[in-house]
Amino acid sequence: NAGVTQTPKFRVLKTGQSMTLLCAQDMNHEYMYWYRQDPGMGLRLIHYSVGEGTTAKGEVPDGYNVSRLKKQNFLLGLESAAPSQTSVYFCASSYSETGADQPQHFGDGTRLSIL
Amino acid sequence: GQNIDQPTEMTATEGAIVQINCTYQTSGFNGLFWYQQHAGEAPTFLSYNVLDGLEEKGRFSSFLSRSKGYSYLLLKELQMKDSASYLCAVMDSNYQLIWGAGTKLIIKP
Repeated sequence: NAGVTQTPKFRVLKTGQSMTLLCAQDMNHEYMYWYRQDPGMGLRLIHYSVGEGTTAKGEVPDGYNVSRLKKQNFLLGLESAAPSQTSVYFCASSYSETGADQPQHFGDGTRLSIL
Repeated sequence: GQNIDQPTEMTATEGAIVQINCTYQTSGFNGLFWYQQHAGEAPTFLSYNVLDGLEEKGRFSSFLSRSKGYSYLLLKELQMKDSASYLCAVMDSNYQLIWGAGTKLIIKP
């Protein structure tokens, strides 16, 4: 009954370092999303995928890259971390385009600090 | 631009009723969602409205008026565990969710 699992849960990076955040879902969902959540702001979409092998840019894609090599996994990469990328990152998934019976399911988040 | 407005914070008393409002201006409309998010946790789905009117789910109800660009979430018989942030999100014409900043609800005994 795992749902959406994100790793790691916490991470501290130095400016310029790189890292990859992993999201895994076991619900056979086609659609996957990466959001960031900052104080006083709504969730903002970074990148999303509508199926294995596909990715697309969201509202705030700069400084991030993604890959969806397997249907169940969606990776978010930071090539050269910047302090402005300090945030809580959430992964979500849905069976298809989000609708009444297809809400997005969220992971527990990754708290990332860039020094 | 696209905009979702909700009050930043509200306070209510255990056992009472509270209404959290959400107004929106988006490019197209394909439904409105309410999510609950406890501090340090993931958002969880509460309700969905695409047609005007009231949807009831136990102690929680959600209302939508598309002509007014307005929704509210009504919480009845408040419990301490209802202390959380409540997020309003609208699906636009591209089927992407536009999120409000959330309303932090504080329940007092």
